[in-house]
Amino acid sequence: GENVEQHPSTLSVQEGDSAVIKCTYSDSASNYFPWYKQELGKGPQLIIDIRSNVGEKKDQRIAVTLNKTAKHFSLHITETQPEDSAVYFCAASSYSSASKIIFGSGTRLSIRP
Amino acid sequence: NAGVTQTPKFRILKIGQSMTLQCTQDMNHNYMYWYRQDPGMGLKLIYYSVGAGITDKGEVPNGYNVSRSTTEDFPLRLELAAPSQTSVYFCASTIGAEQPQHFGDGTRLSIL
Repeated sequence: GENVEQHPSTLSVQEGDSAVIKCTYSDSASNYFPWYKQELGKGPQLIIDIRSNVGEKKDQRIAVTLNKTAKHFSLHITETQPEDSAVYFCAASSYSSASKIIFGSGTRLSIRP
Repeated sequence: NAGVTQTPKFRILKIGQSMTLQCTQDMNHNYMYWYRQDPGMGLKLIYYSVGAGITDKGEVPNGYNVSRSTTEDFPLRLELAAPSQTSVYFCASTIGAEQPQHFGDGTRLSIL
């Protein structure tokens, strides 16, 4: 079955700097890659997603890149702010899997003032 | 539009007790899911449903049961609670394949 690996597990960056989180997936049939942000005591919330027919997608300070050949995708947050501190999860799914999502193990991002 | 609502928010159970975690969504989504999240870990799929009357097992279904009699509701049942089921449980829904899942705020369950 699908396996998603996520690195690093923890990340601390200076406010204003960039943060990068990387994920790899195993199932070549995967074609949908969402990223979720989870704040303390809350459920995950989608922040950006990308489909396999696109190599890069950007939404203000957040961008995601996808390399289908290498089976990896990354989340880039620029100009980090204190409110970016949270746990981030990458995930992968395929149309044939009834939209079942396999999550990575998460990255705890801390923004230092 | 409340989204996905989970009840209760917190619960403590004794070993061997049973309980039902409630999940309801008001977005008319066909697909619904139950996950568990252990401390410092990602989310593991317990059960899912692609529509009323249809359910299927995920990665970690043992010790749990579900039903889906309506589009809105997807309750998760623990029959004989065990300490290994101490976790945070999240319910999610989506309109279809390759669409974002919407999560509730979770039920924090401790079994002592």
